[in-house]
Amino acid sequence: DGGITQSPKYLFRKEGQNVTLSCEQNLNHDAMYWYRQDPGQGLRLIYYSQIVNDFQKGDIAEGYSVSREKKESFPLTVTSAQKNPTAFYLCASSQERQGMAGANVLTFGAGSRLTVL
Amino acid sequence: AQKITQTQPGMFVQEKEAVTLDCTYDTSDPSYGLFWYKQPSSGEMIFLIYQGSYDQQNATEGRYSLNFQKARKSANLVISASQLGDSAMYFCAMRATGGGNKLTFGTGTQLKVEL
Repeated sequence: DGGITQSPKYLFRKEGQNVTLSCEQNLNHDAMYWYRQDPGQGLRLIYYSQIVNDFQKGDIAEGYSVSREKKESFPLTVTSAQKNPTAFYLCASSQERQGMAGANVLTFGAGSRLTVL
Repeated sequence: AQKITQTQPGMFVQEKEAVTLDCTYDTSDPSYGLFWYKQPSSGEMIFLIYQGSYDQQNATEGRYSLNFQKARKSANLVISASQLGDSAMYFCAMRATGGGNKLTFGTGTQLKVEL
């Protein structure tokens, strides 16, 4: 079955450590996204990538980094510069259709919950 | 700038009844899409329904329908014949063509279906 796999599901990190969250999709989607969700809040966009080897900052990119070396993969690194990294992280992908950007539905992974000790 | 507002932090509905979850939006872009997602306690986001800004008719998907009132900039989700499995967090989201393809979310409404 096609879908998005995020790992790990749960992750604990000490302050000052970098950590990388994995996101792999087999949907052959062009675009991929990383969102952060805090308790009782909506999702906020961290980074997104519309094609391989290209990505753009979202609304809250500070303290995060990404890469897009392969179409299927879009890992997110939470660096020590991120002041409050404890959150639920969701990866998504979409098939971009020209001229219909508003209609492109995002498919989400199951999420990764990061806790900083 | 795009903005989504969901004013109902929590809602209760009895099983088999219909419920309306409110969503208002703000954008200056004439071309946009409106989405509703369901998030169960497991955390995954499940796509429910989509409405395009140029669509003449309200979208429907099974028990879900979207009450789209363009002049009022509202896109309320109506769930008919509520089931216990509908208990979840519901998010309204918008994506505008001129907004860099970013999907902007509201803060969500927690729905609880009771017997």
